[in-house]
Amino acid sequence: DTEVTQTPKHLVMGMTNKKSLKCEQHMGHRAMYWYKQKAKKPPELMFVYSYEKLSINESVPSRFSPECPNSSLLNLHLHALQPEDSALYLCASSQGSVAALREQFFGPGTRLTVL
Amino acid sequence: AQTVTQSQPEMSVQEAETVTLSCTYDTSESNYYLFWYKQPPSRQMILVIRQEAYKQQNATENRFSVNFQKAAKSFSLKISDSQLGDTAMYFCAFEGGSEKLVFGKGTKLTVNP
Repeated sequence: DTEVTQTPKHLVMGMTNKKSLKCEQHMGHRAMYWYKQKAKKPPELMFVYSYEKLSINESVPSRFSPECPNSSLLNLHLHALQPEDSALYLCASSQGSVAALREQFFGPGTRLTVL
Repeated sequence: AQTVTQSQPEMSVQEAETVTLSCTYDTSESNYYLFWYKQPPSRQMILVIRQEAYKQQNATENRFSVNFQKAAKSFSLKISDSQLGDTAMYFCAFEGGSEKLVFGKGTKLTVNP
């Protein structure tokens, strides 16, 4: 299994809602990433988990809360989002923290719309 | 801080022809990795090709090859025998000693029939 899966594919939420995005991989990868991507722009890194511990937080607002329950699963909890948070949210994984193993595999993304 | 520059926002090529996408980067690190990622419209981002900076030989993957000029900090992607399925955004990316991929702004490639 060489894929990263993300659910849901699409999500529409109001500014007062609480929702979660889910990412899963079964490649035995030990690093997982969340990115935000606006249309026609490159992905922007949000969070990195390495061996289930948060290793990088790119100064993301607290309305985004990541969680890594186990080495295969990564969640992104959303609360009180703003319309400007509407974007494609990408999850990625890589084998580990050694540079030679950090080729990232991307999921298909969740298209989020905040009303 | 590392930066990656893709100077061609959009390019087009006729089917079966060859096209080269440019990428330059800036870093003070000696050991790093360079990648080209492809993101077709409304589809998943996938890795096209990867180059380790310590390797002098240019990477190739079927119709895709790179021209890696380490001294010039240049990493261009050549697509031979272009196919309609090559239509996509192409992102050049750099990874050095951190866990972060630094992306360029992307080049939108259209392959015309």
